[in-house]
Amino acid sequence: DTAVSQTPKYLVTQMGNDKSIKCEQNLGHDTMYWYKQDSKKFLKIMFSYNNKELIINETVPNRFSPKSPDKAHLNLHINSLELGDSAVYFCASSQDQAGPTDTQYFGPGTRLTVL
Amino acid sequence: GDSVTQMEGPVTLSEEAFLTINCTYTATGYPSLFWYVQYPGEGLQLLLKATKADDKGSNKGFEATYRKETTSFHLEKGSVQVSDSAVYFCALGGNTGKLIFGQGTTLQVKP
Repeated sequence: DTAVSQTPKYLVTQMGNDKSIKCEQNLGHDTMYWYKQDSKKFLKIMFSYNNKELIINETVPNRFSPKSPDKAHLNLHINSLELGDSAVYFCASSQDQAGPTDTQYFGPGTRLTVL
Repeated sequence: GDSVTQMEGPVTLSEEAFLTINCTYTATGYPSLFWYVQYPGEGLQLLLKATKADDKGSNKGFEATYRKETTSFHLEKGSVQVSDSAVYFCALGGNTGKLIFGQGTTLQVKP
């Protein structure tokens, strides 16, 4: 069984479209995250949720809206896609409200290409 | 703010060579330190971690020691294999719960 899964794996779309990426974890974790990895492999956190409550919201454009319907799911909706949104988006989860020692478990990533 | 700096890659080694990937950090408080590995086309996996000064993390022949005096967490392996070819990320975990990653170091091991 996949611990952290994401759909779709690849997403190719036109500028200006709206798209969603879904994430599910079956580890029973309380905290979930979205990270963005750019073309140079640099990883940066975007959001985190603990038990459906937003905990971390980095300086991300408000075109990005995370939604957590329950603690096992964290979806990412992106409005009015721009070329610069092209990246690999990773979902992750950790056991508790993440402290400094918590291990985060990552999904396989969604490669978004905006044309 | 908190930050992590890794040595630039790519690092190219022959099989059975010794590996060192340097990682230094800047942080307030008492962070935990992690090494994650990303194999081609996959997500990140935890390789090892250390939660306090002088701790040594180890896994699959890889080791790293949390050195507070030099603010470092260098990754080492005595004898690399072709299957170790991947991107390695040093990361810092602080009280906010987020991981701050270094820029990643690509390792290529040739037979």
